[in-house]
Amino acid sequence: DAGVIQSPRHEVTEMGQEVTLRCKPISGHDYLFWYRQTMMRGLELLIYFNNNVPIDDSGMPEDRFSAKMPNASFSTLKIQPSEPRDSAVYFCASGRQAGEQFFGPGTRLTVL
Amino acid sequence: AQKVTQAQTEISVVEKEDVTLDCVYETRDTTYYLFWYKQPPSGELVFLIRRNSFDEQNEISGRYSWNFQKSTSSFNFTITASQVVDSAVYFCALSEAADSWGKLQFGAGTQVVVTP
Repeated sequence: DAGVIQSPRHEVTEMGQEVTLRCKPISGHDYLFWYRQTMMRGLELLIYFNNNVPIDDSGMPEDRFSAKMPNASFSTLKIQPSEPRDSAVYFCASGRQAGEQFFGPGTRLTVL
Repeated sequence: AQKVTQAQTEISVVEKEDVTLDCVYETRDTTYYLFWYKQPPSGELVFLIRRNSFDEQNEISGRYSWNFQKSTSSFNFTITASQVVDSAVYFCALSEAADSWGKLQFGAGTQVVVTP
């Protein structure tokens, strides 16, 4: 079975532009997570979904960030407008209840 | 408040030495899970182990072993006879029933550097 798929792997954009990150979870997993990793803050959970429903978005830094999961096999994380401080590696992960989470390869975002 | 503490920022060893990574957690739940993940230089996060709060048996998998002690709220990880390929950042994480199992709360990570 394929692992968690994320696209793009790298994104370079200019401040103010909209950025959309995409994730395809592992088939059969009912949890999907978005994390952000920076040197300063480490790994932070931004939001997670259970059965396509957002359960906890308390980690989303501000209204510029939004996430959707229209179906069990696809999720997006959008930043609009982007700012240089959003530069980070964004990971998507999927899993089953109380189980291990399997991480995608990450998207390295650079906002100039 | 930080619920998972990895006090060691970086550990450097010479190949074939053993290395132990400390993890101390904090929770009020009686039911919880603990995890270890590895992040090699390539950047992906690799799952290593999951342990539930009711199972205090130590576990060994090849050169890896884990020591879970509820009395001290610790879940330490030992790499025996380290190899250069073990060089990575290792994260300890906690999942609590109070969060409906959804959240993995990660420690800050410990960088392990193994030199030949």
